[in-house]
Formats: sequence, structure tokens, C-alpha cells
Amino acid sequence: SQTIHQWPATLVQPVGSPLSLECTVEGTSNPNLYWYRQAAGRGLQLLFYSVGIGQISSEVPQNLSASRPQDRQFILSSKKLLLSDSGFYLCAWSGSAGEDEQYFGPGTRLTVT
Amino acid sequence: DAKTTQPPSMDCAEGRAANLPCNHSTISGNEYVYWYRQIHSQGPQYIIHGLKNNETNEMASLIITEDRKSSTLILPHATLRDTAVYYCIVRFYNTDKLIFGTGTRLQVFP
Repeated sequence: SQTIHQWPATLVQPVGSPLSLECTVEGTSNPNLYWYRQAAGRGLQLLFYSVGIGQISSEVPQNLSASRPQDRQFILSSKKLLLSDSGFYLCAWSGSAGEDEQYFGPGTRLTVT
Repeated sequence: DAKTTQPPSMDCAEGRAANLPCNHSTISGNEYVYWYRQIHSQGPQYIIHGLKNNETNEMASLIITEDRKSSTLILPHATLRDTAVYYCIVRFYNTDKLIFGTGTRLQVFP
């Protein structure tokens, strides 16, 4: 069966520090991968999605970036965190068929201080 | 922007059916209705989706009106573990984007 992992589960970082969040998927190949952010009390906002290695689409301009160095690995990064980057970050995957549902990871709760 | 409108909150007694409404009056012919739920501090969980016909699975039933402008998610026998935020999402076939709104917070009480 397929599983999705995210780490770390929680993170507290000072303003201006770098960020690296990792997501990996097991049990499937060539998945579509997604990064979402959920601010406190808000809905989920799609940040990036990828349909293949090295292929990244950005949905919202921001100081975050994403990379997909391997088929089942998706990384969210920042060179300098802002206070507004605090939130709950979720990685998700789906199959490549148009109707496939998305499966979400456990999330990373980031607090920028 | 989300293309759906949902009530912000609802209550339901344990063991009773929970009926969660969703309006999607601008839905187009190739757009599906998806439902997800998010239990506190967890990632969203897929529940069900449909295009025109009513759908049922082990978790819930989805009733879509004939004009497709609204739908209802039915949890037939709500339990305390069904307490969550429920999101109704309109998704164009063959696109990978899910646009989440603010959802309905369902509280199941004993």
C-alpha cells in the first residue's frame, strides 16, 4: 500500500533562518506531488505541484521554493523565513489519472518566531 | 477562489445522520464534486466524489441535484470520530488542483 511521510512534525525557526521540509511517498511510482499551507483557522492553500522530476509549478508568489530531486521526493525550502510563513504545511500525492483523489501526509507545523 | 459555499458549522447527535450541504451554482459540465474532511491537526482525508449520479461508499453518500448546482454529503450514522471540518471542492476533470474553501465544522455530540 502507499504511504506518505513528512518530517519534521513540528519546527520552530527564527525569522531569517532557512527552511527545508521533506516529503516522501512509498508504494507508487510517478505520483503527482503537492505542497499546501494552512494558516491558523484558514483553509488549505496550494503552494506548489509537480507532475515529474524537476517539474514544479508555483501557485502563489512567495519566498518559498520547491524541488523534486527524485520521483517520490518533494522538498519545500526557503532561504529566509518570514513571520507570515508560520502555518501547517501539508504534502499530498495523487496518481496521474485526472480523477484520482489526493492523499495527504501528516503535516509539519512551522512556527516562525 | 473556492467555487463552493458551505455553512461554517453544524451539530449532529451521535448515531443520527449528518447531512452537510454545499452550493456550487457555477459548476461546469466537466467539473467533479469532491468531499474531504480534516480532523484537527491532521492532513485532509478523501471521502467521496461524483459528477452527476449519486455515489455511495463505505464512508458516506453523495447526493447531487439534477441541475448539479448543489450537493449533500450524508454520513448515515455519525460517530464522535466524525467530528471534523468537511470541505466540498469542485474540481475540473484532469486537473490536479484542489481549491479548498473554509469548509463546515461538524461537531458530533453524545
